[in-house]
Amino acid sequence: EEQLLESGGGLVQPGGSLRLSCAASGFTFTNYAMSWVRQAPGKGLEWVSAISGSGGSTYYADSVKGRFTVSRDNSKNTLYLQMNSLRADDTAIYYCAKDRAVVVVAASGFDSWGQGTLVTVSS
Amino acid sequence: QSALTQPASVSGSPGQSITISCTGTSSDVGGYKYVSWYQQHPGKAPKLMIHDVSNRPSGVSNRFTGSKSGNTASLTISGLQAEDEADYYCSSYTSSSTLLVFGGGTKLTVL
Repeated sequence: EEQLLESGGGLVQPGGSLRLSCAASGFTFTNYAMSWVRQAPGKGLEWVSAISGSGGSTYYADSVKGRFTVSRDNSKNTLYLQMNSLRADDTAIYYCAKDRAVVVVAASGFDSWGQGTLVTVSS
Repeated sequence: QSALTQPASVSGSPGQSITISCTGTSSDVGGYKYVSWYQQHPGKAPKLMIHDVSNRPSGVSNRFTGSKSGNTASLTISGLQAEDEADYYCSSYTSSSTLLVFGGGTKLTVL
């Protein structure tokens, strides 16, 4: 059974940093691109970032470009999101999600999701 | 404001059919076959219901059907059941720098 387990969320002050992790199991991690998707309280889904299976290609939403960095350690089956210069509007549940298929990154749907980790940016 | 436009809410009675629309542009929905639909119950992670416009993942009921015409994709749920009450989101690959965009979500109420 495919499983994704996020960790690292919490309360951080504006301008601060946080690193999220997502531990994967039940599938060949290196074969699949992975994404981070967030959901602000009471709001809709927003794609944040994606990384190819090898880690050689990364992609970001305009809202986080230059502040967030996605990476992965395929030897540890773990996905990361380094978040710097955090703002109040970054407050959200952050989900990691697995690409359904090995085609275009993030294009063909996410068939496994973690339970999410809450990031709250507030003074 | 979301990149893809969905109705905020739809409703239907058990056994009826409903359709949720998802309108984009030729740079996303209209330009690619990469439209997906997700179901999200309160407090839960999203679940993939449709991928590549009209394909159902294994285990998803055939009551869920996806389609696309021009810049608008649609999700039809037939034979509505109480368990279908949830939020539904569409997403599309996009040629913009953003790579993937979601709709604002539609709350389905089963009366």
